[in-house]
Amino acid sequence: DAGVIQSPRHEVTEMGQEVTLRCKPISGHDYLFWYRQTMMRGLELLIYFNNNVPIDDSGMPEDRFSAKMPNASFSTLKIQPSEPRDSAVYFCASRRGGGWDEQYFGPGTRLTVT
Amino acid sequence: GDSVTQMEGPVTLSEEAFLTINCTYTATGYPSLFWYVQYPGEGLQLLLKATKADDKGSNKGFEATYRKETTSFHLEKGSVQVSDSAVYFCALTPNSGGYQKVTFGTGTKLQVIP
Repeated sequence: DAGVIQSPRHEVTEMGQEVTLRCKPISGHDYLFWYRQTMMRGLELLIYFNNNVPIDDSGMPEDRFSAKMPNASFSTLKIQPSEPRDSAVYFCASRRGGGWDEQYFGPGTRLTVT
Repeated sequence: GDSVTQMEGPVTLSEEAFLTINCTYTATGYPSLFWYVQYPGEGLQLLLKATKADDKGSNKGFEATYRKETTSFHLEKGSVQVSDSAVYFCALTPNSGGYQKVTFGTGTKLQVIP
């Protein structure tokens, strides 16, 4: 299995631009999670999906952030417009079934907004 | 709500030293407990887990025992190696049905010097 795939691995953009991060979960996994990691705030859950349906988006920082999962094999996290404080590493993770199963993390996208 | 508290890092040890990273939690009921490890430039990966009280999770020489009476899940290793240098995250997920969110600690950075 290829594991969770994220693209791009690195993104540098200017303030005000739209940024789209992409994730392909492991086949057969029915949960998908988006996290953000910074030195100041650690690892934060932004949103998670179950069977392509958003379940909890309470961690999404503001309306500039949106996430979609149009099918079981693809999800996007979009920031529009981007700001320097959005600079972070964004991780996608997927899981099959119940909470006692492990989450499989992708390698992350390092976003820098200048 | 649920929470996980880890000891502050960084922890610096010499090779072959004994490692303990403390983790305590607050949760209702009987959560599942995890240790994840993040190597530089990578996503988190599961190190070990325990799903009920008194269970011991183990992997790659690391161990942790689920202590319900002290609400703890301390990570230990008898002899660390330079390759163990990473950030370690304690985490929990409730076992109650339908709520699948994982709560992570802030992470403890371990540096092992030769």
